Amino acid sequence: DQQVKQNSPSLSVQEGRISILNCDYTNSMFDYFLWYKKYPAEGPTFLISISSIKDKNEDGRFTVFLNKSAKHLSLHIVPSQPGDSAVYFCAASGSGGSNYKLTFGKGTLLTVNP
Amino acid sequence: NAGVTQTPKFQVLKTGQSMTLQCAQDMNHNSMYWYRQDPGMGLRLIYYSASEGTTDKGEVPNGYNVSRLNKREFSLRLESAAPSQTSVYFCASAKTGSGGRVYEQYFGPGTRLTVT
Repeated sequence: DQQVKQNSPSLSVQEGRISILNCDYTNSMFDYFLWYKKYPAEGPTFLISISSIKDKNEDGRFTVFLNKSAKHLSLHIVPSQPGDSAVYFCAASGSGGSNYKLTFGKGTLLTVNP
Repeated sequence: NAGVTQTPKFQVLKTGQSMTLQCAQDMNHNSMYWYRQDPGMGLRLIYYSASEGTTDKGEVPNGYNVSRLNKREFSLRLESAAPSQTSVYFCASAKTGSGGRVYEQYFGPGTRLTVT
């Protein structure tokens, strides 16, 4: 049973436009969420996170939005650049049975076309 | 600041051979992890260690053993490698907070393992 789902395996956008990556979760115990970016042949790198006490967190071109009632979060990249082309993973953390580990989605491959 | 380091970067094994993947972190994190990544499967947790002296199974522990040697080091051992263990392996370490929430997790560069 996938507790964190990224329903779009891939997304293609034009350079300069907005990229929106989506993530849904099912476990109500999750209260902290992270996004990772992964280039081929490298380890994932931390991008941005959000606590469930907030509904938005912004860092430069990256903004994460959290809708707790819908159990949905999204990552917005504005403007998108070719160097943003990578696989993006959504991850969730919480207390209880999910403590001390992250639960990852399967990732979305973002391609930004020049 | 090296972060999370893994050795080796690449390895080819024959079926039935054994090997140990090494991982070390210099961020003074309590928690460490081993993942594997296969095409279309995302990151799957093999084993983790919430703190020095403890280890727990993740999603796909069969065929693997781990040792938390000290706070810095966490190794993954394949006792009898199988072709199904061909994968890219990532070690990670994390800062955890109250209730065991993971606030930051950092990954190593990965080990690409092929079992023939």
